[in-house]
Amino acid sequence: DGGITQSPKYLFRKEGQNVTLSCEQNLNHDAMYWYRQDPGQGLRLIYYSQIVNDFQKGDIAEGYSVSREKKESFPLTVTSAQKNPTAFYLCASRPPGSTDTQYFGPGTRLTVL
Amino acid sequence: DAKTTQPNSMESNEEEPVHLPCNHSTISGTDYIHWYRQLPSQGPEYVIHGLTSNVNNRMASLAIAEDRKSSTLILHRATLRDAAVYYCIPSTDSWGKLQFGAGTQVVVTP
Repeated sequence: DGGITQSPKYLFRKEGQNVTLSCEQNLNHDAMYWYRQDPGQGLRLIYYSQIVNDFQKGDIAEGYSVSREKKESFPLTVTSAQKNPTAFYLCASRPPGSTDTQYFGPGTRLTVL
Repeated sequence: DAKTTQPNSMESNEEEPVHLPCNHSTISGTDYIHWYRQLPSQGPEYVIHGLTSNVNNRMASLAIAEDRKSSTLILHRATLRDAAVYYCIPSTDSWGKLQFGAGTQVVVTP
C-alpha cells in the first residue's frame, strides 16, 4: 500500500537525550513536512522540504534538526536543546502540483521523562 | 496568513446533517479554503477544498460565501466515525505550508 509511515508510534526518552523520529513515504512526493501538536491545540510547522538535500525552518524549528538525503525519507531529530519536547509529532507529504493538499502519517507520540 | 474563527465544539445526532462554520474575513483572493479533520490520536485527513464555487465530494460539501469571508463544511449524514476535530485552513502558500488553528470538535451522539 502507498502511504506515509512513522515509527515508532510511542517513544520514551530521558531528558537530555537526542532522539530521531522516522518518516518514510512511497508516494513519490517531493514535498515533506514535520508538525508538532500539543494537547488540545492545532499543528505547528517545525521543518519542511521541497526537494532532496533542501529544507527550510518552519515556525518552531528551535531545538530540532532534519535531513533529506532521499526523496522517500525525512527524519526529524529532537535535540536536547528543545525545552519541552513531549508532544505528538506528525509527518506529511504533498504531491507535486496539488493545491496544498497534504497526506499525513499516523504520528509518533514522544514522551520525555 | 488569513486568520480563521471556528466554534470550539458542535454536537450532532447520528444520521443528521452537520454544518460547520468558518470565518476567514482576511482571506486573500488567491487563498484556497481547505478542510482537514483529525480523529483521536491520528494524523489529520484531507476532507475537501475550494476557491470560489461550492464543492462536493464523497466525504462532504463545502459552501463558500460569495464574498469568500466565510465558508461552511457540510456533513450530510453524520456517523459516529465523523467525530473528530475539523480544521478550516485558508492557504495559498507556494511552499504548501498549512496553518492549523484549534479547529472545531464535532461530537456525534447515537
